Amino acid sequence: DIQMTQSPSSLSASVGGRVTITCRASQSVSSYLNWYQQKPGKAPKLLIYAASSLQTGVPSRFSGSGSGTDFTLTINSLQLEDFAIYYCQQSYSTPPTFGAGTKVEIK
Amino acid sequence: QLQLQESGPGLVKPSETLSLTCTVSGGSISSGSYYWGWIRQPPGKGLEWIGSLYYSGSTYYNPSLKSRVTISVDTSKNQFSLRLSSVTAADTAIYSCARHDYATGWFDPWGQGTLVTVSS
Repeated sequence: DIQMTQSPSSLSASVGGRVTITCRASQSVSSYLNWYQQKPGKAPKLLIYAASSLQTGVPSRFSGSGSGTDFTLTINSLQLEDFAIYYCQQSYSTPPTFGAGTKVEIK
Repeated sequence: QLQLQESGPGLVKPSETLSLTCTVSGGSISSGSYYWGWIRQPPGKGLEWIGSLYYSGSTYYNPSLKSRVTISVDTSKNQFSLRLSSVTAADTAIYSCARHDYATGWFDPWGQGTLVTVSS
């Protein structure tokens, strides 16, 4: 199985700030990398697919980049509603696997 | 708007079979463009894909669970189901169903998830 490693595991940021979350795959996943947001008690929500494509309805302050083994999720101008846990997921090979998550908290 | 909702017992005894159903509304499970999947998250742990199914009945499973998992579909009810046999405490988790795009591999939307506890 491809292992997905996210860093950091948690971070504190201020409203209006910028957040960068990294996801590293144990082997190349090309651009088959997706990002999700999960709020407490809610289902995960797809933000970014294919490394950099914004899911319909997701604000443009979210962006993704990377290919191969190293990927980044960036949130610009952080809003209150963005405080959540973020997961990456590779869909290059079966089984699809997820990172352990990055918790974004209010500073 | 497509919505998914899991249903089934919240408590299962060790060695028995866990059974859950996912009801899809706002769209047809037979649309042909997507697979339909199950994912679980044990308390305090990460997300684990269990398996996915196409409306025709074609399935593929996580090799780590394959010997114990069956996913099936009832297109007349717009539902698909999960059965996990010989459960242990390690199978205690929040179980979620989701639409699964086979081409790019994303899952969206997800159901709210249902907690299944394995305990005697």
